Amino acid sequence: AQTVTQSQPEMSVQEAETVTLSCTYDTSESDYYLFWYKQPPSRQMILVIRQEAYKQQNATENRFSVNFQKAAKSFSLKISDSQLGDAAMYFCASAGGGSEKLVFGKGTKLTVNP
Amino acid sequence: ETGVTQSPTHLIKTRGQQVTLRCSSQSGHNTVSWYQQALGQGPQFIFQYYREEENGRGNFPPRFSGLQFPNYSSELNVNALELDDSALYLCASSPRRRNQETQYFGPGTRLLVL
Repeated sequence: AQTVTQSQPEMSVQEAETVTLSCTYDTSESDYYLFWYKQPPSRQMILVIRQEAYKQQNATENRFSVNFQKAAKSFSLKISDSQLGDAAMYFCASAGGGSEKLVFGKGTKLTVNP
Repeated sequence: ETGVTQSPTHLIKTRGQQVTLRCSSQSGHNTVSWYQQALGQGPQFIFQYYREEENGRGNFPPRFSGLQFPNYSSELNVNALELDDSALYLCASSPRRRNQETQYFGPGTRLLVL
């Protein structure tokens, strides 16, 4: 069984600064994928970034990057130059290679202060 | 390219009633997954449909059922509604070209059971 844990229910950051959201996971799969999704108040879940576990290089998407520590089963999200539009719930999720079922953490609410 | 759409956006039902929620997948996607998101929680996997067949199911009772149509749109049916069924129901589609494809979510249907 897969589990995903987000230990920070809430985080805040000043506009233009950097924030890191934590996520740990557990899986028995050798082939798996990790995701960060953003859910603003509009409710739509939006993909932020995706990491294939077999890739050693950390994924990046513009201001968003991850720190993937496979041995520690850690998958943190770094948001650089935070913007007001980054305020949302952020969910970490995992999926086994043979299944498209996503397992989500409980989320971290990010507030961006002007 | 049309994204994932869901209808209705909001719904109010009473305990014991039945409800049908609808989802149109993104163009080119043949796989649809349904998730239940209770207030303050991460989404929980209900089931997935691939080419009109159920392709995996989460820990939900049989009164949660679904369909996928030849155009890859999908329905989620819930019978004998209970108060705990009040939640945001999310539909996600993916192209299923490889083992693990990113899932793209619709805006959700908010169901309230009184």
